[in-house]
Amino acid sequence: EPEVTQTPSHQVTQMGQEVILRCVPISNHLYFYWYRQILGQKVEFLVSFYNNEISEKSEIFDDQFSVERPDGSNFTLKIRSTKLEDSAMYFCASSDGQAFRPQHFGDGTRLSIL
Amino acid sequence: AQKVTQAQTEISVVEKEDVTLDCVYETRDTTYYLFWYKQPPSGELVFLIRRNSFDEQNEISGRYSWNFQKSTSSFNFTITASQVVDSAVYFCALIDQTGANNLFFGTGTRLTVIP
Repeated sequence: EPEVTQTPSHQVTQMGQEVILRCVPISNHLYFYWYRQILGQKVEFLVSFYNNEISEKSEIFDDQFSVERPDGSNFTLKIRSTKLEDSAMYFCASSDGQAFRPQHFGDGTRLSIL
Repeated sequence: AQKVTQAQTEISVVEKEDVTLDCVYETRDTTYYLFWYKQPPSGELVFLIRRNSFDEQNEISGRYSWNFQKSTSSFNFTITASQVVDSAVYFCALIDQTGANNLFFGTGTRLTVIP
C-alpha cells in the first residue's frame, strides 16, 4: 500500500540553526500538509500546500517556516532559525484531490532543539 | 470556530472488555467530516474512519464501531473485546468548510489495555 515517507526520523539541532524536514507524499496525491505535535499534546495544523503554493497556514506557521516542493516527489518544511519551542514531532500528510478526503500521515520526524 | 473535545484523557481496561472513546465536536458549518486516527506507541498516525455530516449511519468494522449523533454533536468510537494491540492514543478530528481542508484534532484519549 502506498505510504507517506518522512526523513529523517529524528533530527537533533542546535538552537538558531536551520533545519529541513523532508517528506515524500503518496505519488498521486495533490494536497500536502504539515502538522506538529508537541510531546504529549494534540496534533496541530501548520500549513497546507496545493498546486505549488500555500493554500492555508496557521498562526504557528510564522516567517521562520517555509515549505517547498523542489521536485515532483519531495515536499519539505524548513525552519530558518530554530527555537527551543520548535521541539516536536512533525508529521507530513497527503490526500488526493477531493475536499474532505482522508489525509494519510507519514511516521513523523522528531525534532529536538538543544 | 471549530472545537473537538475528548474529555477522557486516559482510559485503562482489561483485555477483552469493551471500551467507548467519546468525542464531541463544534462547528458552525453544515458540511463537515469527522475522523478517528490511532497513534500507537511507535508514534505514527493511522487513519481509521471518516464520516460526513449527512450520514448518521453507524459503522462497524470488525471489533471497531462508530456512533455518530448530530443531535448531541458526538462521534463516539467503541472497541469490542479489546486487545493489548489496541493500546494507543486515539484522536478524533474534524474538517469543516471554515477550516478549508485542514484537520482539527482533539486532545486525544490514551487507551491502555491490560493483559
